[in-house]
Amino acid sequence: EAGVAQSPRYKIIEKRQSVAFWCNPISGHATLYWYQQILGQGPKLLIQFQNNGVVDDSQLPKDRFSAERLKGVDSTLKIQPAKLEDSAVYLCASSGGLTLSYNEQFFGPGTRLTVL
Amino acid sequence: GEDVEQSLFLSVREGDSSVINCTYTDSSSTYLYWYKQEPGAGLQLLTYIFSNMDMKQDQRLTVLLNKKDKHLSLRIADTQTGDSAIYFCAETPFNQAGTALIFGKGTTLSVSS
Repeated sequence: EAGVAQSPRYKIIEKRQSVAFWCNPISGHATLYWYQQILGQGPKLLIQFQNNGVVDDSQLPKDRFSAERLKGVDSTLKIQPAKLEDSAVYLCASSGGLTLSYNEQFFGPGTRLTVL
Repeated sequence: GEDVEQSLFLSVREGDSSVINCTYTDSSSTYLYWYKQEPGAGLQLLTYIFSNMDMKQDQRLTVLLNKKDKHLSLRIADTQTGDSAIYFCAETPFNQAGTALIFGKGTTLSVSS
């Protein structure tokens, strides 16, 4: 079974530029998550999708971050304009269910963003 | 509130047992998880425990849960150099919109031969 795919793996941009990340979840997984992991910290949720609908985006900085999952499969996360504090690893995860029963999330390798 | 605390570093010798500790504040969490992150790699689920359990054993891994004190621990028996990684404790509070994980800052485990 193929895992969660993310691209690019690395990205370096200057502040105020825009950037986009792509994620392809495990086939058949309805739930998709984007997490931000700043160096030395644990991942923090940015947005959760169930199919093509948003379940939780309460921690997404909506003035500069946007995400979509138009067909309920792959997803893109965009930052415009980027700030220095956006330097982090952006992790995509997917899971097969929405309920609070045991629900394993499978993580992609992440995209490491450096903002100069 | 939702806050998961972990000690930041642990150093052990190969063959010893490692114990990584975690405290959490949200008693509504139904499941508690341990994830492993190796350099340049994504997060890998190691094990999980249901909140009505006290202990779970899975090969070299033993998870202990003290729900009264909101304390979770992960014991790795016969620690190997390949166990060197960052270990994250995580929970899924019941009173949030979705099913996202709330992670601690991670414990860096260093295993010397």
